[in-house]
Amino acid sequence: EAQVTQNPRYLITVTGKKLTVTCSQNMNHEYMSWYRQDPGLGLRQIYYSMNVEVTDKGDVPEGYKVSRKEKRNFPLILESPSPNQTSLYFCASARTGGVSPLHFGNGTRLTVT
Amino acid sequence: AQSVTQLDSQVPVFEEAPVELRCNYSSSVSVYLFWYVQYPNQGLQLLLKYLSGSTLVESINGFEAEFNKSQTSFHLRKPSVHISDTAEYFCAVSDQWTGANNLFFGTGTRLTVIP
Repeated sequence: EAQVTQNPRYLITVTGKKLTVTCSQNMNHEYMSWYRQDPGLGLRQIYYSMNVEVTDKGDVPEGYKVSRKEKRNFPLILESPSPNQTSLYFCASARTGGVSPLHFGNGTRLTVT
Repeated sequence: AQSVTQLDSQVPVFEEAPVELRCNYSSSVSVYLFWYVQYPNQGLQLLLKYLSGSTLVESINGFEAEFNKSQTSFHLRKPSVHISDTAEYFCAVSDQWTGANNLFFGTGTRLTVIP
């Protein structure tokens, strides 16, 4: 089954403790992206990647890092999480960076205390 | 720069009644327009898209949207809603220079269908 898999689904952590949210897709997609969803703000793009070893900032990249060492994986790294990063995070992928539709994971709900 | 405005944060509607979810965008260049749907505890799914050609686009589950360039709108409509349509709906825009995947999303409209 074609899918985007995020782990974990739920994560509670404390301020300053480094964490990684994994994202993997099995569709051989070139394009991958991370979004955060907050009430009243919709989805905002954090980082995106057009292909392996190519990443770029989205609208809200501060406090986040990503890497794209291989096509299927696009982990989101929070080196020193803060409470304002409490949010619902979505990973998405698409065949190319053109007009192909985005496929979303089921989300990771992160709480930073 | 692009932006998307969804005028209604919540829309309650009775089952089998018609519904319109409003979306307006601003962009200085030609755009691609999308509606995504998010069911509870799930990620977003593409509902329909406008890339070019006919300004009226339809989804497989009875929704349609019309691209109106003069009014910069892309409202979503369904003539008769079902309980299963209860979800959050997001309008999104991208311009034809950066490509459809770098989307700007609206803040979402929560559609609640009342039995």
